[in-house]
Amino acid sequence: QVQLQESGPGLVKPSETLSLICTVSGGSISGYYWSWIRQPPGKGLEWIGHIYYSGSTNYNPSLKSRVFISVDASKSQFSLNLYSVTAADTAVYYCAREGVDFWSGYSGPWGQGTLVTVSS
Amino acid sequence: DIVMTQSPDSLAVSLGERATINCKSSQSVLYSLNNKNFLAWYQQKPGQPPKLLISWASTRESGVPDRFSGSGSGTDFTLTISSLQAEDVAVYYCQQYLSTRTFGQGTKVEIK
Repeated sequence: QVQLQESGPGLVKPSETLSLICTVSGGSISGYYWSWIRQPPGKGLEWIGHIYYSGSTNYNPSLKSRVFISVDASKSQFSLNLYSVTAADTAVYYCAREGVDFWSGYSGPWGQGTLVTVSS
Repeated sequence: DIVMTQSPDSLAVSLGERATINCKSSQSVLYSLNNKNFLAWYQQKPGQPPKLLISWASTRESGVPDRFSGSGSGTDFTLTISSLQAEDVAVYYCQQYLSTRTFGQGTKVEIK
């Protein structure tokens, strides 16, 4: 079955860029939307945005000015860049698969998540 | 943004008893053109990612035990665990996906 794995630095300095990659295995990246979701320690879930395998994106309006999501279908990977980070961006970052169309916006399966701490 | 509010924040239920979690959206997530509610439920156990339980308000995912059921329409939804098992201890989240995607704050379910 499809599996997702996040990778990237666990520590980012304030004002710098958080960059993560999600690698998809066990299935094709084609035909689906792929999302990033984060969870601050001890708190709830926040949808960051998603990308269709062909490259079209949608972002959370509250993060839109600082977020860029891209896809490399040839590598079965999609990426997250979050710019100008602050301590408030400290969270476990998850990647997940959404549906085959924009309206099927529920997420599953999910990666295991990676903790990113913003600190100097 | 559509704001999702869950109640209660936590509940303790005896093994074998019913657990009920409510989710209310600030505006309807029922799409009139297809008469579908754009509402999902997730289960998150400690140290694990969330797991999708239910989509379209009441459609159980493959492999999810039938003691989990979703109901409701418009702005008011319910997740019911008909007979709580020890492995159901978790935090449960609702999510709307009609307008971008937003989650409820979560409901922690424990054993009494």
